[in-house]
Amino acid sequence: GNSVTQMEGPVTLSEEAFLTINCTYTATGYPSLFWYVQYPGEGLQLLLKATKADDKGSNKGFEATYRKETTSFHLEKGSVQVSDSAVYFCALSPNTGRRALTFGSGTRLQVQP
Amino acid sequence: DVKVTQSSRYLVKRTGEKVFLECVQDMDHENMFWYRQDPGLGLRLIYFSYDVKMKEKGDIPEGYSVSREKKERFSLILESASTNQTSMYLCASSPGGEKLFFGSGTQLSVL
Repeated sequence: GNSVTQMEGPVTLSEEAFLTINCTYTATGYPSLFWYVQYPGEGLQLLLKATKADDKGSNKGFEATYRKETTSFHLEKGSVQVSDSAVYFCALSPNTGRRALTFGSGTRLQVQP
Repeated sequence: DVKVTQSSRYLVKRTGEKVFLECVQDMDHENMFWYRQDPGLGLRLIYFSYDVKMKEKGDIPEGYSVSREKKERFSLILESASTNQTSMYLCASSPGGEKLFFGSGTQLSVL
């Protein structure tokens, strides 16, 4: 079946540090890949997506590149802010069969001033 | 903006009670989903629906049922609540693509 594996958190960084959150996936075919973010007390919201190999999704300074050869979709940001503190979820949607998202376990990011 | 509203932010119920979690979306979306969120496990799909009166089991449907009598409303039902159903429940809707719009969640405690 489909699965998503994320690095365990929490990840604690100082403001303006570089961020990487690792995500790898297992799926048949060519899934679409997503990063969702959950700010404290809120529901999840879509951060970025990529639908085919070598696509780069980007939003709010965050980027992730769909790497088919390593089945990865790592999230990066060059300079984090305190306001980026949240839980980040990697997810996939298969392009055949059941069209429901499969999520990873989430990675909590804490950014200190 | 799309709004997905879950009826309660916090609920406390007793073991054996029948529990209803309500979710309403205001954007005429075809697809609706129920997930539960647990620490270290992420989001797991309970049930989903692609149309009125239609439902499909997700990955962990045991102990749950759903109802979708109207397009905008998708209810999750715990027929006989148990302590292992203590969790955060998230409802989401989608217009048919892959972008989900989530509610802010219901934290259910079963004592």
